[in-house]
Parts: sequence; C-alpha cells; structure tokens
Amino acid sequence: AQKVTQAQTEISVVEKEDVTLDCVYETRDTTYYLFWYKQPPSGELVFLIRRNSFDEQNEISGRYSWNFQKSTSSFNFTITASQVVDSAVYFCALTLDNAGNMLTFGGGTRLMVKP
Amino acid sequence: DTGVSQDPRHKITKRGQNVTFRCDPISEHNRLYWYRQTLGQGPEFLTYFQNEAQLEKSRLLSDRFSAERPKGSFSTLEIQRTEQGDSAMYLCASSYGTDYTFGSGTRLTVV
Repeated sequence: AQKVTQAQTEISVVEKEDVTLDCVYETRDTTYYLFWYKQPPSGELVFLIRRNSFDEQNEISGRYSWNFQKSTSSFNFTITASQVVDSAVYFCALTLDNAGNMLTFGGGTRLMVKP
Repeated sequence: DTGVSQDPRHKITKRGQNVTFRCDPISEHNRLYWYRQTLGQGPEFLTYFQNEAQLEKSRLLSDRFSAERPKGSFSTLEIQRTEQGDSAMYLCASSYGTDYTFGSGTRLTVV
C-alpha cells in the first residue's frame, strides 16, 4: 500500500521569507508519480507539478522549486520569497503507474503567509 | 471545455435523507474519480470509472454510498440515509493518464 506523509500540519511565515514544505512517501513500486497541489480557501485543487520516479532532476518554476530524492523517499517543495497569495493548504500526492491512477494524498500542510 | 463541473456546490440535508451529486468530467478524459475530503485532511479516494466501467469500488465507505457513470459521460454519487459523519467535501476528478483535473467539489452538511 502507498502512503504519503506531510509532517508539518501548519506553517506560518512572514512575507518574503522562504519556506519548505516536506513530503515523504512510501511505495514498493518502482514506477510512480508524485504531485503537489494547492488548495486555496475556495476549495479547488490546483495542480502545481507532476514528477515520475525516473526523473530525479530538481525543478524550478518561478518562485517554486521541488527537490525529489529517491534515496530518502522525499519530494519537498520550496517557495522562495513567499507572498500572502501563497497562503493555502498544500497537498503532496502519489499514484502508481498500474493502479488505475488513483491518487493517495498526504494530510496537507496549511501555509499562512503574513504581511 | 470548461474543466470538471460539480453540482451542487453546497448541499445541506437532514440526517436520514438521500443525496445525489453530479460530476461532469472533461470530455476527452476516460477516467473519473470520486474523493471525499473531511476538514483538515487530505482527499480520500472512494471510487473510479474507466469510461462506463466502475473498476474500483471497495473504498466506498459503506453500502450507503454508490456511484454510477451511465454511458461513460457524467457521473453521480449517491449517499443514502445520510449521517452526520457524511458531512464533508466530495471532490470529482477526471484524467487522461496522469493528467488530472479536479472539480470545485460539493460541500455536504448533514444536520
């Protein structure tokens, strides 16, 4: 069975600070995909990134960056120079290539960015 | 295509009543999923369809929950004899491969 753990339930930072959201996953499969989603107060899940298990290259998109390390089964997400609009709940998720592609979500990290 | 649509956005019902939610997926997507999200938790998988076939339903929370997807188009999720513990956000998603799109959800409150 798959499992995703987001140990940080809530993080509070001041605007312009950098913040890293942790994600640790468990799976016995060698082929899988990892995701990050943002859930603002409106409730919709907004896709941020997808990574497959064969691609360990880190990725940067604007103020967002992701660090995928198979050796520690982690897929951490960093926001540089945080802004108030980044305040939301962030979810890490995992799917297997052969499991009907159902997503297993972590419990989420609530990020509060204060002005 | 305007994405995944869910209706209604909010539903308040009395305990013991039946409720039905609708999801309209992206037309090119062949898979449709239902998730439940309770307050402070991540979404929890319930069931999914590939076209009109329901391929996984063992995660439905009880026999009071059922889902259909007639003709492989829209889907409905029904909860019979609602209980207060059913209060949650019910999310629908559709996908082609691992390209998922989520709807805005239906928030159910059982009073």
